Amino acid sequence: NAGVTQTPKFRVLKTGQSMTLLCAQDMNHEYMYWYRQDPGMGLRLIHYSVGEGTTAKGEVPDGYNVSRLKKQNFLLGLESAAPSQTSVYFCASVRFPMNTEAFFGQGTRLTVV
Amino acid sequence: GIQVEQSPPDLILQEGANSTLRCNFSDSVNNLQWFHQNPWGQLINLFYIPSGTKQNGRLSATTVATERYSLLYISSSQTTDSGVYFCAAPGYNQGGKLIFGQGTELSVKP
Repeated sequence: NAGVTQTPKFRVLKTGQSMTLLCAQDMNHEYMYWYRQDPGMGLRLIHYSVGEGTTAKGEVPDGYNVSRLKKQNFLLGLESAAPSQTSVYFCASVRFPMNTEAFFGQGTRLTVV
Repeated sequence: GIQVEQSPPDLILQEGANSTLRCNFSDSVNNLQWFHQNPWGQLINLFYIPSGTKQNGRLSATTVATERYSLLYISSSQTTDSGVYFCAAPGYNQGGKLIFGQGTELSVKP
């Protein structure tokens, strides 16, 4: 049981490049989330999904897009990377958020130069 | 929305010492978790503890839901315990996203 797996773990992008971060969970969880963590800012929600085929905006969605075509996968896309998107990105999943345990991936450290 | 506050913000211990970290939350919750973010940045699940007491080795946690607080106990601390400890509870909007406290940064000295 791998839990939540993020790919890649590290990446350096040039300004304007695009990339996709993959989050995969094998726990049959309904809810999935993408957060970013910046020094002094804590974890902020980018986008989330409450089930296969659904996505919704979080606190800081600008510059990102997401897709949840399969229940086990939640993709985060950066269409045109900016230095302000340099951060550590975490994916999380939970069966039901109000009364079950949430699990996080190991994080993706992204640097945009 | 729900607010989560942790204390102390930072803590320096000598190896072998014990410590207690506190988490207060502003509203009733059905879900309270403790995480350890290690120096490599990984978020490790420590406890899922909406109420009661749980123990895992040298760590234990107690949540008193009626009084809206949770405590994390670390006994016989080791240098590998260093890092940031977060508590978190789900909010009522945005898909029940986790609301994190600001964390307690723990440094254990040899």
